[in-house]
Parts: sequence; C-alpha cells; structure tokens
Amino acid sequence: GAGVSQSPSNKVTEKGKDVELRCDPISGHTALYWYRQSLGQGLEFLIYFQGNSAPDKSGLPSDRFSAERTGGSVSTLTIQRTQQEDSAVYLCASSPPGVTEAFFGQGTRLTVV
Amino acid sequence: GEDVEQSLFLSVREGDSSVINCTYTDSSSTYLYWYKQEPGAGLQLLTYIFSNMDMKQDQRLTVLLNKKDKHLSLRIADTQTGDSAIYFCAESEGGYNKLIFGAGTRLAVHP
Repeated sequence: GAGVSQSPSNKVTEKGKDVELRCDPISGHTALYWYRQSLGQGLEFLIYFQGNSAPDKSGLPSDRFSAERTGGSVSTLTIQRTQQEDSAVYLCASSPPGVTEAFFGQGTRLTVV
Repeated sequence: GEDVEQSLFLSVREGDSSVINCTYTDSSSTYLYWYKQEPGAGLQLLTYIFSNMDMKQDQRLTVLLNKKDKHLSLRIADTQTGDSAIYFCAESEGGYNKLIFGAGTRLAVHP
C-alpha cells in the first residue's frame, strides 16, 4: 500500500495480558516513530527508530513497553502485562531521509479491560 | 521540559476566517507544524514552517510565527464545514521528527 499500515486497527485485551502492535512503514522510509494518543495525556512521543536502531527511547512509559524494528522496515511495539492506563490509540509514523514530514498511520486503538 | 499549549475549542461561522493559536517553549525547534485530525482518522500534516520564517501561505492556510514570543498561529480563510476537525500544533526536537504536540484545538464550523 501507499501509506503507513498498522495492525490490528482495534485490540481489546484483558488486564495483565501481553499485546503486540505492528507497523508497516512506507517503503524506503528510514525513520519510524511510535506515538500514543490518550484522553488524559494527549499525543506523546514513545520511540524513534533510524534503520533498526532506536537512538531515542525516552518516551517509553515503563519497562513493560518495548519496540523493535527489523530489516529497516516493520516495527512491533510490545506491551507486557497490560494495565488499564495503557488504553489509548497507538500511532506509527515514518519519514524518508532528509524530509521534514512524518506520515502517520491510522493507529491501533487498544482497550484494556 | 518542552511544552506546547493551545486553546481547546474554537467555533466559527462558515465562510469566516478561523485563527488557531499556539505557544511553544523550545526555542531550538527547527520546524513547527500544524496537523489535522478528523474523527476516526490519523494525523494529516497541513503545513509546516521553518523557524527562520515569519509567515507561510498555502492556499487558504496562513501560518504566522513570532519567534520572540514563541507564538504560532494558523489562519484558515473561508472556513468550510469540511474544516471541522482537531488541529494540533507541534514542535520538532532533536533534529529529527520527534514531535511535541499541543493538546489540540477542536474547530467547529456552523452555518
């Protein structure tokens, strides 16, 4: 596809379970970002990848959150032992080298019950 | 730390101009952005301005930047019902697209 693709679009999980959220960036985009949008906190930066490495993980809220990127392409955000406060829309964005615009996916809405 | 502030709500009549205001704190931001989010949709970049510019115009959109006061505004001329959305101001940090967003301004356009 032409845009950033995220899956699943919706995920409902029980408190304490682990979840994996997937992001397929636009082909050729070397930079990839994860953000979280929640009612209480607004839009928050989580992590930035350049290629497969993550030079900025400063936004990850706790050690229950981790992310990886393989092949300079797909990224997975994993949340372990989910809590109700993890309920939010998780947005992925990517950008090509030297470009100021970040292209956002539609997001994954995570609900922890 | 960095902070971006916006008013939360703006209501305008169709055909009027809308002005959405934003203040930011990081004077080292290279770019400042306006994003639009429609219900159930992702974030769409509307426009951005380089920090050494005062103004940028793109069709119905005009961005004004006052670096001294760290104030950014977005003017939408001839506002239409399709402009109803949440508008986010954002500053970049770190030399890459790490975006610090404001809380968003909900624009409501009425007949």
